[in-house]
Amino acid sequence: GESVGLHLPTLSVQEGDNSIINCAYSNSASDYFIWYKQESGKGPQFIIDIRSNMDKRQGQRVTVLLNKTVKHLSLQIAATQPGDSAVYFCAENDNDYKLSFGAGTTVTVRA
Amino acid sequence: DTAVSQTPKYLVTQMGNDKSIKCEQNLGHDTMYWYKQDSKKFLKIMFSYNNKELIINETVPNRFSPKSPDKAHLNLHINSLELGDSAVYFCASSHQYGNSKNIQYFGAGTRLSVL
Repeated sequence: GESVGLHLPTLSVQEGDNSIINCAYSNSASDYFIWYKQESGKGPQFIIDIRSNMDKRQGQRVTVLLNKTVKHLSLQIAATQPGDSAVYFCAENDNDYKLSFGAGTTVTVRA
Repeated sequence: DTAVSQTPKYLVTQMGNDKSIKCEQNLGHDTMYWYKQDSKKFLKIMFSYNNKELIINETVPNRFSPKSPDKAHLNLHINSLELGDSAVYFCASSHQYGNSKNIQYFGAGTRLSVL
């Protein structure tokens, strides 16, 4: 499943399929980006980060892609599991202290 | 042990009251934050302290006053609570040097309901 375009608030994906969550950021000077996962009733949890001198970074079952030309960030989740159901946020680092968060995408995994 | 802990988890109060939310982190971080998350899940920075000094102060009513007694604590006091203050408030902390630039670690949130 994929959230296409600038941003879609929801994404429904079949268990076992790959998920792609898209995010557009606003500040061309941002040099650091983070993806967070927020489960119901919990705080945002760090998933993966990427710096602007990279265009791809891989973690365990997750990959983040950065396209600075079009100011676009994506998070790919391989073999989506029920435990991946959550709200996913991208965040950009405007300066050393301030993170600006995107609107969030709610991912629902269908059994 | 919880890395970033905030209390209380739930807070229900009447309009006009004054309330405080407390936050503590045991990660040895030097920077702490308060965020407000509205009903549409939008996360907005309110304040940030670095080494007990205020470094971010977004457009927030002056009824909200943060206080950092030391690097491990950042409390949020809210005067004259209004209906629009109902939200989930998150505390976070981060380390500002090394390769871990600005990964912020969040608490579980305080759900504030103003009646």
